[in-house]
Amino acid sequence: SQELEQSPQSLIVQEGKNLTINCTSSKTLYGLYWYKQKYGEGLIFLMMLQKGGEEKSHEKITAKLDEKKQQSSLHITASQPSHAGIYLCGADALYNQGGKLIFGQGTELSVKP
Amino acid sequence: DTGVSQNPRHKITKRGQNVTFRCDPISEHNRLYWYRQTLGQGPEFLTYFQNEAQLEKSRLLSDRFSAERPKGSFSTLEIQRTEQGDSAMYLCASSLTGSVGNTEAFFGQGTRLTVV
Repeated sequence: SQELEQSPQSLIVQEGKNLTINCTSSKTLYGLYWYKQKYGEGLIFLMMLQKGGEEKSHEKITAKLDEKKQQSSLHITASQPSHAGIYLCGADALYNQGGKLIFGQGTELSVKP
Repeated sequence: DTGVSQNPRHKITKRGQNVTFRCDPISEHNRLYWYRQTLGQGPEFLTYFQNEAQLEKSRLLSDRFSAERPKGSFSTLEIQRTEQGDSAMYLCASSLTGSVGNTEAFFGQGTRLTVV
């Protein structure tokens, strides 16, 4: 079965610093999704990547999928306290379906003002 | 439509009691998913529906768990004879799947269950 490994498991950064979170899959990814979760709340969709080499950006967050479609990274530029939370990568368990996902264990981000 | 809605947000119950959670998906979404999330872990898939049909159930979904989606609209997740190990956040998500394309899953705020 497919597994997703995220690193690091937790991260504390000073406000204004850049950071990167990685997500590695044991199998080729059909689709890779990044979500953000505030503690005790639901997941907020950030970005979806499907093609090898694809890169997407939204505000100060950039996500990339490698050419082999087994690894993704999420990069935050000039971090702010509002970026704090748990970042989860999820992979399509069904081809191009977008709903049944296998998730990594999450990366908890704290941003110190 | 304001998104996926889950009720209640929090539920505390005594071991052995039955509990039921409700999920109202985004109205035009034909797929509905239930996940369970424990502290420090990512969500784990439990089951999903396409319209009113339950298409898949995870091995995590024991006989004490049952989910329904009558008329392909809202869904309920019932846990019978709750155990302390059932304590978790239960998340519902919905998506649109069809010939015109698929959307990502939109999640509700979750129902946090505590079994004492």
